[in-house]
Amino acid sequence: DAGVTQSPTHLIKTRGQHVTLRCSPISGHKSVSWYQQVLGQGPQFIFQYYEKEERGRGNFPDRFSARQFPNYSSELNVNALLLGDSALYLCASTPWATDTQYFGPGTRLTVL
Amino acid sequence: SQKIEQNSEALNIQEGKTATLTCNYTNYSPAYLQWYRQDPGRGPVFLLLIRENEKEKRKERLKVTFDTTLKQSLFHITASQPADSATYLCALGGHSGAGSYQLTFGKGTKLSVIP
Repeated sequence: DAGVTQSPTHLIKTRGQHVTLRCSPISGHKSVSWYQQVLGQGPQFIFQYYEKEERGRGNFPDRFSARQFPNYSSELNVNALLLGDSALYLCASTPWATDTQYFGPGTRLTVL
Repeated sequence: SQKIEQNSEALNIQEGKTATLTCNYTNYSPAYLQWYRQDPGRGPVFLLLIRENEKEKRKERLKVTFDTTLKQSLFHITASQPADSATYLCALGGHSGAGSYQLTFGKGTKLSVIP
């Protein structure tokens, strides 16, 4: 079985631009979560979606938004990029009735 | 606010010895605690989960303990090998149900196993 996949692998943007990151969960997993990991820190929760509905939101500004599609894949959108948005963005999927999260390889976003 | 502290940013240990990593938390009543391994530039990989009503879990050379009174978890790697060198993350989770799986992570401890 394929693991969680994310695209793109790396991305370079300039301040003020918009970015869309994509995630495909493990087949059969209906829950997707997004995390931001700044260098030297642990991942920080951004969003969780289950069955296309937002089930949780971390302490991030409204510039961050996400959605989940009928095939359970997900997009994370960030508007008006700031230098501080530079980080590794991680997607994780979770099978129903378990608490284990399976992380993808992440998307490295650099904002110049 | 919730706070998770992992005892040290870096830990060096000789090959063959037991590595012990500590995770302390405050202002939190987690339903479970998880340990993940993360290699540079890659996503975390799940290792072990221990629930609030469990004291100890084992998996091969790994052992985790969970003391909800002390608000502390210890993570042990016995007979450590250079391949165990990585950053280890502690993560706390609330009560699941209705699809809530938010994890709160510590900063991690970078373990280096010296041959």
